[in-house]
Amino acid sequence: DAKTTQPPSMDCAEGRAANLPCNHSTISGNEYVYWYRQIHSQGPQYIIHGLKNNETNEMASLIITEDRKSSTLILPHATLRDTAVYYCIVRVTINNDMRFGAGTRLTVKP
Amino acid sequence: GAVVSQHPSRVICKSGTSVKIECRSLDFQATTMFWYRQFPKQSLMLMATSNEGSKATYEQGVEKDKFLINHASLTLSTLTVTSAHPEDSSFYICSATGTAQETQYFGPGTRLLVL
Repeated sequence: DAKTTQPPSMDCAEGRAANLPCNHSTISGNEYVYWYRQIHSQGPQYIIHGLKNNETNEMASLIITEDRKSSTLILPHATLRDTAVYYCIVRVTINNDMRFGAGTRLTVKP
Repeated sequence: GAVVSQHPSRVICKSGTSVKIECRSLDFQATTMFWYRQFPKQSLMLMATSNEGSKATYEQGVEKDKFLINHASLTLSTLTVTSAHPEDSSFYICSATGTAQETQYFGPGTRLLVL
């Protein structure tokens, strides 16, 4: 059963911020939110993960709502190479299960 | 960062033959490795989980006698597709986690085509 809900597709203009939403209303207190992306014909690439606090790294920012029922992945300045399918996954770290939903297909347009 | 490799990247074989795919963690010790399968325009589906030195745990509907998994060392897991048929043609992806088990790192995938 899907634990996350994401829009199937989104477009973003090159150079603008891409904000990808994810709903995880049934998330448990010990589950992390992970984001991966998959560029066509490649393996998924880890982007970022968080538990409660907002996180930022060189690739993206992760904003988690206070009730933890939803989150947003932000790519601050999208480039054409960011075109990919983005997956939001909730996972308990000590439980190695990682289940992929359908994800959001982000298309960055010039 | 953590790097996972797969070999081969692409393989074509005849129906009825067996194919072995290797998954290696290059710069960390992988206590757990995972095998996924992805059909065109679909998401990744977990096939099995393997811990080093133990038998793999297969997901429901995945035949363990057809998809043989060996995780003999902390840096290598192999998936052997036995008696491959055209319906086994797919994109096979492995991933691995280290002792901290916080993040899974994925390999680049192996595209299998069975004629």
